[in-house]
Amino acid sequence: EDQVTQSPEALRLQEGESSSLNCSYTVSGLRGLFWYRQDPGKGPEFLFTLYSAGEEKEKERLKATLTKKESFLHITAPKPEDSATYLCAVNSGYSTLTFGKGTMLLVSP
Amino acid sequence: SQTIHQWPATLVQPVGSPLSLECTVEGTSNPNLYWYRQAAGRGLQLLFYSVGIGQISSEVPQNLSASRPQDRQFILSSKKLLLSDSGFYLCAWWDTLGGQFFGPGTRLTVL
Repeated sequence: EDQVTQSPEALRLQEGESSSLNCSYTVSGLRGLFWYRQDPGKGPEFLFTLYSAGEEKEKERLKATLTKKESFLHITAPKPEDSATYLCAVNSGYSTLTFGKGTMLLVSP
Repeated sequence: SQTIHQWPATLVQPVGSPLSLECTVEGTSNPNLYWYRQAAGRGLQLLFYSVGIGQISSEVPQNLSASRPQDRQFILSSKKLLLSDSGFYLCAWWDTLGGQFFGPGTRLTVL
């Protein structure tokens, strides 16, 4: 059974204070690792898909990396508008995803 | 471009009442469709998914059912709601180029 664990559960940063979110996973065969951003009361917004260890993807202040056991979402010089819950999910086949519980990020001005 | 719609946006229902939530997708054909529930502290739980009309796979046995009467329509139903059915219900579709994309969600409160 696929498992995804995200840490920390919550993170508070000052504006401009860079940090990383962690997603550890256990799957029988990784077909993709996904990152989403979710604002309160809204559906998750797709950010990245990573497929193999060593792969990296960037979008504005966010960079996602992947190893064989975990993924990191690096946030560089965050702004208050980056405040959201960030979700990680894995796909091991059959077009279904297993999600972690998310990391709630709060960036203070 | 593809878009996904859900309605209603919010719903307050008494225990024991029926439920029908609707999801429609535009701009794609024969999509894989998914229903998730998100409850506080529990993350996203996959409830049902469908790879085509009339084809439903259930991930969690419960008080809910799903149907896919048309290619781009996915319906979540219940005959009698329980308090534990409260949550945020999300519909999603699978884009073979990237991943799953979600609708805006329906907030269900069962009283």
